[in-house]
Amino acid sequence: QITLKESGPTLVKPTQTLTLTCTFSGFSLGTRAEAVGWIRQSPGKALEWLALIYWDDDQRYNPSLRSRLAITKDSSKDQVVLTMTNLAPVDTATYFCAHRAREPSARLYYFDYWGQGTLVTVSS
Amino acid sequence: SFELTQPPSVSVSPGQTATITCSGDRLGDKFATWYQQKPGQSPVLVIYQDWKRPSGISERFSGSNSGNTATLTISGTQSMDEADFHCQAWDGTSVVFGGGTKLTVL
Repeated sequence: QITLKESGPTLVKPTQTLTLTCTFSGFSLGTRAEAVGWIRQSPGKALEWLALIYWDDDQRYNPSLRSRLAITKDSSKDQVVLTMTNLAPVDTATYFCAHRAREPSARLYYFDYWGQGTLVTVSS
Repeated sequence: SFELTQPPSVSVSPGQTATITCSGDRLGDKFATWYQQKPGQSPVLVIYQDWKRPSGISERFSGSNSGNTATLTISGTQSMDEADFHCQAWDGTSVVFGGGTKLTVL
């Protein structure tokens, strides 16, 4: 059974850097074709994809946020870390990590397991 | 950039069929995914690869994708189906989500 859980600060000041950790179980990011992504959702708003990291350390980012994001993994700890710089109040959101389903086709991209999410508020 | 458009809200009477659309340029050439999200909860995968249902998802949920529109259909809608529904696709370089549709069962 795959599970994921997000952790990190609940309150961040403007201009600060946010670091979120996704701790998962039930799969290994050292295994071919595995990947974990980060998605956020501002209150009452749509889901917004942020970043994705593959088993081979390949990283993909939302182009509109690329300059502010960094995603890394620690396969030995079963963790994925997302860093976002220069936070602003508009970054207030619930941040989810999710497991990208292992599919043979590179065109098949969806998340089959999600963490519970962590609410991050950006305020001075 | 590739975008997905959903109606903000859809209303349906109990027992009737709910249809939620997701539009994007040549979306039919990609694979559409649908998630259900109830208040205060994480999204749950209900349809992937246009029409496939994960284990444990009711047969009342079905999907299709052709041309520029993917459609999620919920037959025999129940009050428990009331939720936000999000479509998603991969455009070759990025994961793209629609704006979400609030399904109300009146």
